[in-house]
Amino acid sequence: GAVVSQHPSWVICKSGTSVKIECRSLDFQATTMFWYRQFPKQSLMLMATSNEGSKATYEQGVEKDKFLINHASLTLSTLTVTSAHPEDSSFYICSARDGSEATDEQYFGPGTRLTVT
Amino acid sequence: KQEVTQIPAALSVPEGENLVLNCSFTDSAIYNLQWFRQDPGKGLTSLLLIQSSQREQTSGRLNASLDKSSGRSTLYIAASQPGDSATYLCAGDMRFGAGTRLTVKP
Repeated sequence: GAVVSQHPSWVICKSGTSVKIECRSLDFQATTMFWYRQFPKQSLMLMATSNEGSKATYEQGVEKDKFLINHASLTLSTLTVTSAHPEDSSFYICSARDGSEATDEQYFGPGTRLTVT
Repeated sequence: KQEVTQIPAALSVPEGENLVLNCSFTDSAIYNLQWFRQDPGKGLTSLLLIQSSQREQTSGRLNASLDKSSGRSTLYIAASQPGDSATYLCAGDMRFGAGTRLTVKP
């Protein structure tokens, strides 16, 4: 089955620094990738939709200058949290759609836990 | 924009019981609906995907239905097992519900 990986699986950074999270589709080409965040005991919130070769579409309330998304290839999307603050601490999960499939199933990565101190 | 609600928020059942988890959505022009399970501190495992043209999908002991006219989807779990204990999330057009935390007691 389709596999999506994320790196790193967890990261601790100091307030004010930037952190990059990678999302890769390992055995398929992902024309569209999605980034979510999940706070403890809450559900996933869609942050942005990333299309290969074009700018990401951000959900209302998500700061595009703070959460930089790049989808430079069909197998890699990156999320950079710039000038991170403790309130950015969260579980970040990406998902990807297989462009060759007729269905719209999303395949999820294992998530990245970010802690900002 | 699709809004998704799940009821109940938590459910505890004895092993072997059949159970139903509910999911409702606001826009009947839903494109697809997907059910996931999430174990504590982990990512999501996809269970079933129902396209808008479909009414149900089955996988093993799981059966999910989609009723666009009423804005509802249900996930039926037959003969529940302790290993089924997890949070179950439904997502309509990439909008997630808050989940139902299921505990199956041995």
